[in-house]
Amino acid sequence: ELKVEQNPLFLSMQEGKNYTIYCNYSTTSDRLYWYRQDPGKSLESLFVLLSNGAVKQEGRLMASLDTKARLSTLHITAAVHDLSATYFCAVSHSNSGYALNFGKGTSLLVTP
Amino acid sequence: DAGVIQSPRHEVTEMGQEVTLRCKPISGHNSLFWYRQTMMRGLELLIYFNNNVPIDDSGMPEDRFSAKMPNASFSTLKIQPSEPRDSAVYFCASSLGTGATYSNQPQHFGDGTRLSIL
Repeated sequence: ELKVEQNPLFLSMQEGKNYTIYCNYSTTSDRLYWYRQDPGKSLESLFVLLSNGAVKQEGRLMASLDTKARLSTLHITAAVHDLSATYFCAVSHSNSGYALNFGKGTSLLVTP
Repeated sequence: DAGVIQSPRHEVTEMGQEVTLRCKPISGHNSLFWYRQTMMRGLELLIYFNNNVPIDDSGMPEDRFSAKMPNASFSTLKIQPSEPRDSAVYFCASSLGTGATYSNQPQHFGDGTRLSIL
């Protein structure tokens, strides 16, 4: 069974600061995803990472993947209030039809 | 393009009643997934379909839960009889496929059905 651990689970940071969210997973995975969820809303896809060393960036968010360490990071640069949300890491494998195994999520609050 | 459409958005019903949740995937997507989100258990997969065929239902909690996909544009998740512990947000998601060709495609989620069983 694929297990996914995120840390931290809660993060309060000031606007303008940088921070990294970590995602560890237990067994070989074919794909790694990052999703964003605003309170009471759906999940919005941010990144899909496939290969070792993959790095993707969108605005103030950058995601990377180290398949050997079974680790992905989501780096936040110069945080702004609009980034406040819950961020989920998920992994999948072809053996399970690429169904998503989610981490518990990181609740991010960006304060002035 | 329309996204994944779920109905109803909210459902409040009494214990013992039958509940039916509905999902219309994105046109052209051939994989459909049902997930449940609770504070205690987070997001967990219930069942997924590929080309309308149920592939893995090991996440379905018990026999009270059933899911169907009669055609490529419609799926239902039914709970009968419902219990208070079934209260959760139920998400439907769809994706283009599961092969290498679509390896960089994410799953697209609907807005969810917020279910409360009294």
